[in-house]
Amino acid sequence: AQTVTQSQPEMSVQEAETVTLSCTYDTSESDYYLFWYKQPPSRQMILVIRQEAYKQQNATENRFSVNFQKAAKSFSLKISDSQLGDAAMYFCAYRRGSSNTGKLIFGQGTTLQVKP
Amino acid sequence: EAQVTQNPRYLITVTGKKLTVTCSQNMNHEYMSWYRQDPGLGLRQIYYSMNVEVTDKGDVPEGYKVSRKEKRNFPLILESPSPNQTSLYFCASSIGQGGSSPLHFGNGTRLTVT
Repeated sequence: AQTVTQSQPEMSVQEAETVTLSCTYDTSESDYYLFWYKQPPSRQMILVIRQEAYKQQNATENRFSVNFQKAAKSFSLKISDSQLGDAAMYFCAYRRGSSNTGKLIFGQGTTLQVKP
Repeated sequence: EAQVTQNPRYLITVTGKKLTVTCSQNMNHEYMSWYRQDPGLGLRQIYYSMNVEVTDKGDVPEGYKVSRKEKRNFPLILESPSPNQTSLYFCASSIGQGGSSPLHFGNGTRLTVT
């Protein structure tokens, strides 16, 4: 069975600094997708970034980028130039490329605090 | 605006009193799903639906029911709620069930069962 692990329950960063959130996963599949979702206090689940396993190039979205290490099964999120609005809970998630359940498997979440 | 709409946002009820949380999407998505979020556990899938009249259990289906009579609607039914169903619930939808289709989430329903 696939699993996703976020080992950092809480992280903090100074405004304008860079922070990296860790995520590891376990799967025997070769076709899969990885995601980072942001959940601010409003509870909304916002897709931050997506990575296809078959792509070697790391995904980037403005200040957000990932370090995808397929052999190590690691998928970390780097937030550059942190802003107060980045404060939220971040979830790492996995989904099989061809799934019969469509299930998104989530990690436990990391709460990010941004200090002014 | 493309969205998934859940209602209500907050719900407080008593043990055993049947309730329904509604979910509707306006994106013509085939796939819909329900998750519950609990501290330290992330989100876990309750039920999912591949299309109209096609539903199946996820990882934590006990105590829940769903129906998919129309493509846009996917209500979550708690026939006899218990305190261990106190949680934050999310409805989600996507074009298909494969990984290339990102899930779109509703804004969540905070349920408290006393």
